[in-house]
Amino acid sequence: AQSVAQPEDQVNVAEGNPLTVKCTYSVSGNPYLFWYVQYPNRGLQFLLKYITGDNLVKGSYGFEAEFNKSQTSFHLKKPSALVSDSALYFCAVRDRNNNDMRFGAGTRLTVKP
Amino acid sequence: NAGVTQTPKFRVLKTGQSMTLLCAQDMNHEYMYWYRQDPGMGLRLIHYSVGEGTTAKGEVPDGYNVSRLKKQNFLLGLESAAPSQTSVYFCATRQAGRVTGELFFGEGSRLTVL
Repeated sequence: AQSVAQPEDQVNVAEGNPLTVKCTYSVSGNPYLFWYVQYPNRGLQFLLKYITGDNLVKGSYGFEAEFNKSQTSFHLKKPSALVSDSALYFCAVRDRNNNDMRFGAGTRLTVKP
Repeated sequence: NAGVTQTPKFRVLKTGQSMTLLCAQDMNHEYMYWYRQDPGMGLRLIHYSVGEGTTAKGEVPDGYNVSRLKKQNFLLGLESAAPSQTSVYFCATRQAGRVTGELFFGEGSRLTVL
């Protein structure tokens, strides 16, 4: 069965600094990997996904993520954080034979002015 | 074009009461999902449906039932609510034939069981 780990409950960065939110996964075979963002009292919104090909994936709002097969990781990154990036971020994985998607526990990102 | 709509948005129940959450979508998606979100545990799949008239169990199905009588609606029922079912519930949809596709979420239904 597939699973996802987000090792940090909380990440704090200063505005303008680069940010990284970590994610590692476990799946049999090749994974489909996703990042979602959740703002207060809202549903999850899709940010980006890795399916195949280039290991660096670009998504919405200037976010990108790097797929590393040997380390089974899919870390979310942004070169320059904004206060408005403060939210809860979820990593998710689906293997190619399943209809469901498994989510990590979430990482709360706080960007301070 | 409302996307994915959940009703009600808030509900308080007493232990043993029953209720139904409704998810309605106008995206013509085949797949629909019910998740629950609890602090520190992320989202866990309760039940899902791959088409009208079909349902399947997810990771945490006990205490819940679902029905998909119409393509656009997916109902989540609690027959006898328990405090452990206090949570935020999210409905999500996905297009069929696109296993690489992302999920589209409703805004959530916050349920408190006293």
